[in-house]
Amino acid sequence: AQKITQTQPGMFVQEKEAVTLDCTYDTSDPSYGLFWYKQPSSGEMIFLIYQGSYDQQNATEGRYSLNFQKARKSANLVISASQLGDSAMYFCAFRSNDYKLSFGAGTTVTVRA
Amino acid sequence: DVKVTQSSRYLVKRTGEKVFLECVQDMDHENMFWYRQDPGLGLRLIYFSYDVKMKEKGDIPEGYSVSREKKERFSLILESASTNQTSMYLCASSSASLGTDTQYFGPGTRLTVL
Repeated sequence: AQKITQTQPGMFVQEKEAVTLDCTYDTSDPSYGLFWYKQPSSGEMIFLIYQGSYDQQNATEGRYSLNFQKARKSANLVISASQLGDSAMYFCAFRSNDYKLSFGAGTTVTVRA
Repeated sequence: DVKVTQSSRYLVKRTGEKVFLECVQDMDHENMFWYRQDPGLGLRLIYFSYDVKMKEKGDIPEGYSVSREKKERFSLILESASTNQTSMYLCASSSASLGTDTQYFGPGTRLTVL
């Protein structure tokens, strides 16, 4: 399995502020994909954003953006204008050419009012 | 709207019982996956399937088997449940086209083995 590292077990952020969640990966594959998922306390895994290794621009989806630095092998998630409903665990995942995902250990985000 | 369903949200079984976890997707996806999730370990792949009647081992297949007789259904089987299989089990499906192969997850089954 590919190695995916999320170094922040937990983070606090003030409502309406931005937060950056770190993710680094280790691969020698030229073609791969990076995903971020949100898991609220209810347990479902919700897809947020995808970045392909050959994509020229950083992916954005509403308040989510992915800061992709290929040479550094990092794919940090930025959540802008945090809302109380953003409180959840966030997982970074790596996919090579075999459709399988390798997940990081996750980061718990708590948004404070 | 994409939909992956799992047969139970919560399940309690006894050691040694045979356990079936069912997953159904309505997106006509070729790929289906079973993961288990444990605190501090993230999600770990148990088995996956690229097509009907095809299966491949993931990272932690020991103690599990799977069945895929129809494209929309992927079953995870615990032949003889043990307490160390107490966990959250998540099913996912995706298309076979790289670049559009986002995995969509079901709501999860929290299994407790006593």
